[in-house]
Amino acid sequence: AQKVTQAQTEISVVEKEDVTLDCVYETRDTTYYLFWYKQPPSGELVFLIRRNSFDEQNEISGRYSWNFQKSTSSFNFTITASQVVDSAVYFCALSEFRDDKIIFGKGTRLHILP
Amino acid sequence: DGGITQSPKYLFRKEGQNVTLSCEQNLNHDAMYWYRQDPGQGLRLIYYSQIVNDFQKGDIAEGYSVSREKKESFPLTVTSAQKNPTAFYLCASSMGPNTQYFGPGTRLTVL
Repeated sequence: AQKVTQAQTEISVVEKEDVTLDCVYETRDTTYYLFWYKQPPSGELVFLIRRNSFDEQNEISGRYSWNFQKSTSSFNFTITASQVVDSAVYFCALSEFRDDKIIFGKGTRLHILP
Repeated sequence: DGGITQSPKYLFRKEGQNVTLSCEQNLNHDAMYWYRQDPGQGLRLIYYSQIVNDFQKGDIAEGYSVSREKKESFPLTVTSAQKNPTAFYLCASSMGPNTQYFGPGTRLTVL
């Protein structure tokens, strides 16, 4: 069965600190996709990244970076030099190749304090 | 502008009434989805549709109904059978495998 666990319910850091959001997943499929979405206070989910299970290269996009490790079934998300605008709920999600459905974790609420 | 629109943004319903939430997309996506989000919770799938005139139940379909008569539109009706309908409802669409794009959401409150 598919499952996504975000053990950190809520995190608070001071602006300019680095912060890592953890995501651990479970799947029996060998081909799958992993996602991160951001939900700002407005409510809309914003797509950040999709990785497929064959690509374990880390990815960097500006202040955002993602570390995918199949050996530990983890797909962690790091924000470098955090800013107040990064305050949001962040969801990690998983989709198996033959399935059009996405399974979401419960989210991590991130507070960036000025 | 391409995107997904949901209306209304806020909706108030009296107990025992049915209400319909609108979701429209002009991305030419084949698949559309409805999710429910409760405070402090992740997203739970209500219904999804991969093609016009076809849809499947998600994990929490009881008390909800949908239709997919046009590719662009996937309205959700919250019926009086839904015991606890107060929640934030998100619509999404996707083309091809997996990546879903979301609308701004509708916040439903039962008075």
